[in-house]
Amino acid sequence: GAVVSQHPSRVICKSGTSVKIECRSLDFQATTMFWYRQFPKQSLMLMATSNEGSKATYEQGVEKDKFLINHASLTLSTLTVTSAHPEDSSFYICSASFGTGLNQPQHFGDGTRLSIL
Amino acid sequence: AQSVTQLGSHVSVSEGALVLLRCNYSSSVPPYLFWYVQYPNQGLQLLLKYTTGATLVKGINGFEAEFKKSETSFHLTKPSAHMSDAAEYFCAVKYVIQGAQKLVFGQGTRLTINP
Repeated sequence: GAVVSQHPSRVICKSGTSVKIECRSLDFQATTMFWYRQFPKQSLMLMATSNEGSKATYEQGVEKDKFLINHASLTLSTLTVTSAHPEDSSFYICSASFGTGLNQPQHFGDGTRLSIL
Repeated sequence: AQSVTQLGSHVSVSEGALVLLRCNYSSSVPPYLFWYVQYPNQGLQLLLKYTTGATLVKGINGFEAEFKKSETSFHLTKPSAHMSDAAEYFCAVKYVIQGAQKLVFGQGTRLTINP
């Protein structure tokens, strides 16, 4: 149980392209979804938190207009990297949790490796 | 500020040996603690969690961790390492910050298993 599917797993595109990444909870309703960025050999950095039907809450230093997050349903959240540039290349990971209890773990997708040429 | 510290960015053990990955946290309130494993080019998989109750928590793949409040620690152990345990391990603590739940990760420990 608690499977999170992230798609695509890898994207290579030209600078200036916008890229959409999908995160789906397959067997549970995700009250909250999270988007992380991970640089090589580093830990995960939280970018934003989204609740279904609400605007995402971004962490300090994360550009809202660059990283658009939509959480339209309890099973789907999308991250769109707009006008991507080489410095946006990274490993992006989503996670989802059911309920608001502190004891609820986050379940992670397999990540998307984004490479901007 | 809340923080998680994993001692040792890289741990190397022989196959069959004891695995010990260290994690210390700072918290002014009872913590909710998690260990995740990450294989190359993949997301994170939950190994185990501590919320309340028994301080020794058993997880998947033979791993366990013990919450020690007096030491503010949540070290991960496995009695006998297997080659398939080679991966990156993250300790994490869940806090409520300004009304929002946040999962704060340690910097990770890369576990290498020697044949």
